[in-house]
Amino acid sequence: GQSLEQPSEVTAVEGAIVQINCTYQTSGFYGLSWYQQHDGGAPTFLSYNALDGLEETGRFSSFLSRSDSYGYLLLQELQMKDSASYFCAGYQTGANNLFFGTGTRLTVIP
Amino acid sequence: DAGVIQSPRHEVTEMGQEVTLRCKPISGHDYLFWYRQTMMRGLELLIYFNNNVPIDDSGMPEDRFSAKMPNASFSTLKIQPSEPRDSAVYFCASSSPWTGKNIQYFGAGTRLSVL
Repeated sequence: GQSLEQPSEVTAVEGAIVQINCTYQTSGFYGLSWYQQHDGGAPTFLSYNALDGLEETGRFSSFLSRSDSYGYLLLQELQMKDSASYFCAGYQTGANNLFFGTGTRLTVIP
Repeated sequence: DAGVIQSPRHEVTEMGQEVTLRCKPISGHDYLFWYRQTMMRGLELLIYFNNNVPIDDSGMPEDRFSAKMPNASFSTLKIQPSEPRDSAVYFCASSSPWTGKNIQYFGAGTRLSVL
């Protein structure tokens, strides 16, 4: 089966850096994605790690360590518009579907 | 491309009624996914199709739920009869394996309320 755990809530100050962690337990894992969802909106893709290490996309970076079954999303220079829910999602070898984590609600305060 | 299109955006119905949700995937995408999102259960995969063929429907809650994909540009999710516990936001998503990042593109969702 698949299990991806995240903190339920994180609060950070505008302009700061925040890290959202994701730990997973899955058989045949082969990649980790991150999605952002604003209230009332749809999930939108942020980042994907197929290999161990860091992937950087602008203010967002994502990290994966297969040996630790762990990944994180790093958001830099936080802006108020970054307040949203963030989901890690795992892919399983042989399947093309995503298993979503429990989600982390990020609140950015002035 | 207009993205994944879902209809209706909102649906309010009474218990026992049939509900049909519709989805048009992005042209050229050969995978289509149906998800349900609630506060209690989060984002759950219900079923997904590859080239119009259902691949995994293990997430479909029970026989009251059914999904079809008669062609590459259209899919439906039907609930018959509907129950209050079916109230949720239902998302459709599509993807293509050729992007290399397995990106799923989500529609705006259908907010279903069963009274």
